[in-house]
Amino acid sequence: AQSVSQHNHHVILSEAASLELGCNYSYGGTVNLFWYVQYPGQHLQLLLKYFSGDPLVKGIKGFEAEFIKSKFSFNLRKPSVQWSDTAEYFCAVTAAGNKLTFGGGTRVLVKP
Amino acid sequence: DTEVTQTPKHLVMGMTNKKSLKCEQHMGHRAMYWYKQKAKKPPELMFVYSYEKLSINESVPSRFSPECPNSSLLNLHLHALQPEDSALYLCASSHTVDGFSTDTQYFGPGTRLTVL
Repeated sequence: AQSVSQHNHHVILSEAASLELGCNYSYGGTVNLFWYVQYPGQHLQLLLKYFSGDPLVKGIKGFEAEFIKSKFSFNLRKPSVQWSDTAEYFCAVTAAGNKLTFGGGTRVLVKP
Repeated sequence: DTEVTQTPKHLVMGMTNKKSLKCEQHMGHRAMYWYKQKAKKPPELMFVYSYEKLSINESVPSRFSPECPNSSLLNLHLHALQPEDSALYLCASSHTVDGFSTDTQYFGPGTRLTVL
């Protein structure tokens, strides 16, 4: 069975700082990878996804993620965060025949 | 339009009540899902419907009863719930199901359920 781990449970940073959230998965086959964001009091929204092709994926709101197959990783990055990026971020993985599996989530607090 | 709607937004019920949660999507998606999300935890899959048929039940207690009246609607009937069932219940949909799903799932805002 596949699993997803997000290394940081909580991240606190100041506006304009760079953000990188780690995500590693365990599955030997072809995977589809997602980052979802959940803003306070709001529903899960898709930030970006990787199915195939260019391993550097650009999403909404200036986020990007890089799929490194050899490291089983799909880290999320943003060069300069804003206060409005305060949210919980979930990495998720799915593969043929397997359900969408979420990581434990990372709570990001951006201080103004 | 990538909108999944859920009603009600909040629900408070006693352990002897019967209530239903509703979910609707008009994206033409043929797979719909129920998830349960406890505070500070990721969503946990409960049920998957594919082409209006229940394809996955993740060993959910029978006090939760899903129903898919048509391709756009998904209900979750609740009966004799326990306080530990209090959580955010999320509905999602995706284009197709391949075993489970390899397509993007779009989530609704959820129903926050409190069981007294």
